Amino acid sequence: EAAVTQSPRNKVAVTGGKVTLSCNQTNNHNNMYWYRQDTGHGLRLIHYSYGAGSTEKGDIPDGYKASRPSQENFSLILELATPSQTSVYFCASGDAASGDGNTLYFGEGSRLIVV
Amino acid sequence: GDSVTQTEGLVTLTEGLPVMLNCTYQSTYSPFLFWYVQHLNEAPKLLLKSFTDNKRPEHQGFHATLHKSSSSFHLQKSSAQLSDSALYYCALSERNYGSSGNKLIFGIGTLLSVKP
Repeated sequence: EAAVTQSPRNKVAVTGGKVTLSCNQTNNHNNMYWYRQDTGHGLRLIHYSYGAGSTEKGDIPDGYKASRPSQENFSLILELATPSQTSVYFCASGDAASGDGNTLYFGEGSRLIVV
Repeated sequence: GDSVTQTEGLVTLTEGLPVMLNCTYQSTYSPFLFWYVQHLNEAPKLLLKSFTDNKRPEHQGFHATLHKSSSSFHLQKSSAQLSDSALYYCALSERNYGSSGNKLIFGIGTLLSVKP
């Protein structure tokens, strides 16, 4: 079974503070993704990566940075957190090289509240 | 750009009645289509995905047929169960594995509530 783990699972941050959300996968997948989930918006892609050392902007990258130091790890960084970034964040991994699409395996989510 | 449309935000059904959740899409290329399901306080997980040939994917009593002529991939089940209550996402991934081909684009989701 695919395994994607996120930490922290819950976080309360102050406005202007720095937040780092971490993600680890043991699937040996090349691709990793960060999405945020908000009612009325569904899952929206923030950043993604094709492999160690690469990061790509998704559909809503403003206010976020990403880091992929290794195949297994992918972090999402909020340098100056704002209340609008209060959300549930999901990390996922996938392997588009499988030839039948890009099935994603999601972590359990990180709930972030910015006050 | 590519997009996925789910028109119903909330669908409420009585147990035993048929389920149909709508999904239409726009894509430059011929995409793969997916349905993901998310139960309360859990992670989204794959329910089913379109095949490269004309097979109809099925899983846990759910099925979906990709209709390229109408750009649709509606999710159906003949008889709803209480345990089907969850958030359902339709998503697409391009077949062209170029610089953006590995992205999965999601709709806004449809919350299915099944009542006794």
